[in-house]
Amino acid sequence: EIVLTQSPATLSVSPGESATLSCRASQSVGNNLAWYVQRPGQAPRLLIYGASGRAIGSPARFSGSGSGTDFTLTISGLQSEDFAVYYCHQYTNGGGTFGQGTKVDIK
Amino acid sequence: QVQLQESGPGLVRPSGTLSLTCGVSGESISSSNWWSWVRQPPGKGLEWIGEIYHIGNTNYSPSLKGRATISVDKSKNQFSLELRYVTAADTAVYYCARSPGFLADWGRGTLVTVSS
Repeated sequence: EIVLTQSPATLSVSPGESATLSCRASQSVGNNLAWYVQRPGQAPRLLIYGASGRAIGSPARFSGSGSGTDFTLTISGLQSEDFAVYYCHQYTNGGGTFGQGTKVDIK
Repeated sequence: QVQLQESGPGLVRPSGTLSLTCGVSGESISSSNWWSWVRQPPGKGLEWIGEIYHIGNTNYSPSLKGRATISVDKSKNQFSLELRYVTAADTAVYYCARSPGFLADWGRGTLVTVSS
């Protein structure tokens, strides 16, 4: 099973600043990597798929990069609704796994 | 727009079977998508359970050790999850999702508590 490790566990950022979240896979997943945001009491929502493709409705301040084993989600100019938990997810053939999540909170 | 809605008992006895259904609207379950289940224990992260394609192909998380079965009912445009021999560790919010690989659309989730 492919293990995804997200870092940091918690990231404290001031509104308007940028945030960089990391996701590392235990073996190559190619570009089969997605990012989701989950706000309290809500279902997760897709932000990024294929490592760098922005989902419909996902604001331009969210960008993804990477391939193979190392991936990054960058949020430029954090807004109030961006303080939430972010998960990466690999979806290679035959199964999927999630990272443990990164909580972005207000500094 | 695709909408998914989970339904099923909110309370299951230990050693019993958890059974949930996901109703799909706005998309045929016979389309080129996989249909997935994900769960989230209270206060914890997301766990991928498994997925099904409309012709019956399935994939499951090894961590469930063969306890899960996902099935599809094309006539009702829905898919289902059964999880056998449940324990308190299976208490979670269960989500269903449309999956063209990644999890594109999610249901709102349903809380299932395992308790006597």
